Amino acid sequence: EDKVVQSPLSLVVHEGDTVTLNCSYEVTNFRSLLWYKQEKKAPTFLFMLTSSGIEKKSGRLSSILDKKELFSILNITATQTGDSAIYLCGWSGNTPLVFGKGTRLSVIA
Amino acid sequence: GAVVSQHPSRVICKSGTSVKIECRSLDFQATTMFWYRQFPKKSLMLMATSNEGSKATYEQGVEKDKFLINHASLTLSTLTVTSAHPEDSSFYICSARSWEGQYNEQFFGPGTRLTVL
Repeated sequence: EDKVVQSPLSLVVHEGDTVTLNCSYEVTNFRSLLWYKQEKKAPTFLFMLTSSGIEKKSGRLSSILDKKELFSILNITATQTGDSAIYLCGWSGNTPLVFGKGTRLSVIA
Repeated sequence: GAVVSQHPSRVICKSGTSVKIECRSLDFQATTMFWYRQFPKKSLMLMATSNEGSKATYEQGVEKDKFLINHASLTLSTLTVTSAHPEDSSFYICSARSWEGQYNEQFFGPGTRLTVL
C-alpha cells in the first residue's frame, strides 16, 4: 500500500527559528513529490521534486528529495508568524494523489 | 486517522454528458467539505466550499451551473460536472473538515481522474 508519512505532526517554534519538516514515502511508480502549505482554505503549492539531490528554493523555504532513502525535507529559515500553517507532503504518480497527514507548524512571536 | 473516500476513482465519459463524483467521510462527521481541481504541475485549485445543509460557496471563476455541488448529509457531498467537455478533464479532489476539539484539519480524498473524450 502506498503511503506518505510526515513528521513531526505538530511543531511550535519562536519567530526567527529554523525548522525542518520531514516526509518519507513508500510508493510505487513514483513520479514526483509535492509540498503544499495549507492555511485557512486551499493548500498552496510550494515545491515539486522529481530529481534526487537537487535543492529547490523559494525565499526562506527550501526542499530536497532523496529518492534512494525515499525521503524529503522542507526547511524554513528565519520563521515568521505568517509561516504558521499545515504543511502537506504528497506523492504524485499515475494513480490518485497520496498525501501525508501534514505537519502543523505554529510560529509564535 | 480520519478517512475520506471518493467514488469513482477514475471515470471516462463522452463530451456533453454529466458525471457525478461522490465524496464521503467514513468515520467522522464533516460539516464542511471542499472540492479541488488539480492541474498538472500546479497547485490544487479550490473550486468550492460545501457546508452541510446549505448552498456551496464557489470560488471566483468557477461556474456554478457547470459544477453542481450538493452536501446533503454530514458524511456525503457530491460534485456533478454537467455537460462535460474535454477541457474539464482533470483530477478532482475533495477534502472534509472535522471539528474535533481544538483541531481544524482537512482530510483529503484520494481524488477522481476525469477524462472527457
